[in-house]
Amino acid sequence: DSGVTQTPKHLITATGQRVTLRCSPRSGDLSVYWYQQSLDQGLQFLIQYYNGEERAKGNILERFSAQQFPDLHSELNLSSLELGDSALYFCASSRRGGRGVTDTQYFGPGTRLTVL
Amino acid sequence: GENVEQHPSTLSVQEGDSAVIKCTYSDSASNYFPWYKQELGKRPQLIIDIRSNVGEKKDQRIAVTLNKTAKHFSLHITETQPEDSAVYFCAASKTQGGSEKLVFGKGTKLTVNP
Repeated sequence: DSGVTQTPKHLITATGQRVTLRCSPRSGDLSVYWYQQSLDQGLQFLIQYYNGEERAKGNILERFSAQQFPDLHSELNLSSLELGDSALYFCASSRRGGRGVTDTQYFGPGTRLTVL
Repeated sequence: GENVEQHPSTLSVQEGDSAVIKCTYSDSASNYFPWYKQELGKRPQLIIDIRSNVGEKKDQRIAVTLNKTAKHFSLHITETQPEDSAVYFCAASKTQGGSEKLVFGKGTKLTVNP
């Protein structure tokens, strides 16, 4: 157990719908990263938050957005869902994030999203 | 941006043999190279990592080597066991603009046959 939690474990929804994925980082970690894992694209970085502020964006679609709350948990919002959005979504957390020394990223168990 | 190539995509070995997985990266500013093991349907788990100021690191049966000049790093697993069967991902990272996003290779599916 990495100490990172994600809910829900599984999500099945229809095209055009909107869903919210939730992540709680390890105790004391300030950075949260979101990654998408699909069969054809592998593990792709989406977005990073550090202590409530957006730090970096990867290949995140405009239909996707995220935020980090004062208690440091993060939510990833996916809207106007398409079949191709079906994937495993992981969040990871690290202690600091970008403060000169690269910290280990610990991954949560993931949310499996199926869009029908 | 950074690009990480990983080979081979699949690797099958006999129990007790060694396994080697190789990765190359494109951005010479990358300075942190973790390896993750992922079992089917599970989270990626860090098994070993290496920073750019070190050429080699070992942890029991697992070792990683880094060649900064060639922009190449490798994972070595000795005395493989069936429980080593999983998908292994290499990644590269650098600190840029306060972010340390990981750029992953496509993964290597390792099968250890009893």
